[in-house]
Amino acid sequence: DAGVTQSPTHLIKTRGQQVTLRCSPKSGHDTVSWYQQALGQGPQFIFQYYEEEERQRGNFPDRFSGHQFPNYSSELNVNALLLGDSALYLCASSLGSGRDTQYFGPGTRLTVL
Amino acid sequence: GEDVEQSLFLSVREGDSSVINCTYTDSSSTYLYWYKQEPGAGLQLLTYIFSNMDMKQDQRLTVLLNKKDKHLSLRIADTQTGDSAIYFCAEGFRSGGSYIPTFGRGTSLIVHP
Repeated sequence: DAGVTQSPTHLIKTRGQQVTLRCSPKSGHDTVSWYQQALGQGPQFIFQYYEEEERQRGNFPDRFSGHQFPNYSSELNVNALLLGDSALYLCASSLGSGRDTQYFGPGTRLTVL
Repeated sequence: GEDVEQSLFLSVREGDSSVINCTYTDSSSTYLYWYKQEPGAGLQLLTYIFSNMDMKQDQRLTVLLNKKDKHLSLRIADTQTGDSAIYFCAEGFRSGGSYIPTFGRGTSLIVHP
């Protein structure tokens, strides 16, 4: 049973570019959440997708957008990249309300030069 | 993460007990979580406690909750070198049908022989 997978593992972009990160949830999970973890910080919630719709959103600008597909996989898109977007982006999957168990993927390390 | 505070570092000797402390500010929090993050990896949920509980024990892990003081602690008995990692405290409260955890900055636990 595969856990949460994310791709790519690492990514280097320049300021102003756009990036797409991908996440496949744990088998049987229908909810995907995205987090940004800056160096030395805890993860910050970006948004959560359920039934192909954004259900909750954290305090992130509209440059951050996402999508969930019918197979529950998800993408995170970031436009007009800034240096401050450099971080580890974590995807977590859960079932329904996800109140007790969010399973995290290994993350995608994004570096913006 | 500014609502969840943790000390940044803890160093213990192998075989001793480790106690990692956390304070939170939102009394409406429903669930309180402890996550572990090893270098280059995503977050692993260690345990969680519902806000109406005082204590939860799971093998070597003991979680204590003082709701009056908004204080949460994680005790690891017989700490091993494999326990070296960053430990995140998180509070979660229901928002729009799901529980979104808010993380602290993490406590780096160093276990030396």
